[in-house]
Amino acid sequence: EIVLTQSPGTLSLSPGERATLSCRAGQSVSGNYLAWYQQKPGQPPRLLFYGAYNRATGIPDRFSGSGSGTDFTLTISRLEPEDSAVYYCQHYDTSPYTFGQGTKLEIK
Amino acid sequence: QVQLVQSGAEVKKPGASVKVSCKASGYTFVGYYIHWVRQAPGQGLEWMGWINPNSGTTNYAQKFQGRVTMTGDTSISTAYMEVSRLRSDDTAVYYCARDRSGPYDLWGQGTLVTVSS
Repeated sequence: EIVLTQSPGTLSLSPGERATLSCRAGQSVSGNYLAWYQQKPGQPPRLLFYGAYNRATGIPDRFSGSGSGTDFTLTISRLEPEDSAVYYCQHYDTSPYTFGQGTKLEIK
Repeated sequence: QVQLVQSGAEVKKPGASVKVSCKASGYTFVGYYIHWVRQAPGQGLEWMGWINPNSGTTNYAQKFQGRVTMTGDTSISTAYMEVSRLRSDDTAVYYCARDRSGPYDLWGQGTLVTVSS
């Protein structure tokens, strides 16, 4: 089972700043089969990136994904209040398709 | 409109079973796997398994094997997920999600299952 560890647990930043969220895998994720999701309270998750860096439909280019192997990063530049949410990474390499524990992003 | 619509909230007693439905519309149901993910109150996301609606093939997380059954009815474009022998720690929001060759590009609205005596 591939264990994904996200850091930090909580991130508190101001509008206009840049957020850097990390997702580290316990073993290499082949094919960069790594996705990022955004979840706001009371809503299902929303796909942001797949294949580590491929932006999903409708996602603003303020969001970017990068990384390979065991280290992946979600970067959000020019933060806006609406970016306040919990962000999860998930791999879809081999079953079980585990999620990271999430990073809560607060916009001050 | 492309969407997944889930059944309503359920309250069950410990030891009972619950069956959650997920109705697909706006796309070819048999063309995409359906995954199930749950989220306990205030907690993260937990992958449970998937079903291939075309063949009925399933793959469950080891934690749920023997207690979870995923099925599909192609005639009404609906997937089902049943959990038996419910415990209090099964209290969670259960989501179905469409697998777009790996990532989940479409999610149901979620179904809250509360297990309480």
